[in-house]
Amino acid sequence: GAVVSQHPSRVICKSGTSVKIECRSLDFQATTMFWYRQFPKQSLMLMATSNEGSKATYEQGVEKDKFLINHASLTLSTLTVTSAHPEDSSFYICSARVTGLGNSPLHFGNGTRLTVT
Amino acid sequence: GENVEQHPSTLSVQEGDSAVIKCTYSDSASNYFPWYKQELGKRPQLIIDIRSNVGEKKDQRIAVTLNKTAKHFSLHITETQPEDSAVYFCAASINSNSGYALNFGKGTSLLVTP
Repeated sequence: GAVVSQHPSRVICKSGTSVKIECRSLDFQATTMFWYRQFPKQSLMLMATSNEGSKATYEQGVEKDKFLINHASLTLSTLTVTSAHPEDSSFYICSARVTGLGNSPLHFGNGTRLTVT
Repeated sequence: GENVEQHPSTLSVQEGDSAVIKCTYSDSASNYFPWYKQELGKRPQLIIDIRSNVGEKKDQRIAVTLNKTAKHFSLHITETQPEDSAVYFCAASINSNSGYALNFGKGTSLLVTP
């Protein structure tokens, strides 16, 4: 159980374009999902907390107008990287936990490898 | 916010030896501490976790200890095997307004040599 599906797994785009990444909880509901970014050989850094039906909460230093998050349902959150630049190239991973279980394991998607040329 | 420190950054052991990775955290309100294993290019996989009401937890060759007073927790892998080679991350919960996000340590690259 508790599977998180993330799509696409890999995307290459040109500088200035936008990219949308989808994160779905397949067999459970998630009112909250978390978006992380991981640069090569580095740790996972929390970017934002996605809340179903309300605005996302962004971590310090993460531009909300650049990384648009939409959490329209209990099973889907999307992250859109707008006007992407080469420095946005990274591994983006979403995660979620079963709603109502409080402080319990996070389940991660497979991640999206974004390369901006 | 929560700050998680992890050591060492790299660890090389011979097959069959034990490996220990240590983490410290700053927020005394943190109460959930998972450990994840990540292979290259893949998602982090939970290997064990511990809550603050427990001092130690074991699952076969893997164990985690927690010292709430000192605010540190450790991962112990015994009888290491080459397939244990990966990057290991410790994490601590952040009691945010929207839920319990995880704050990760910088990771430990474990290499088990045959």
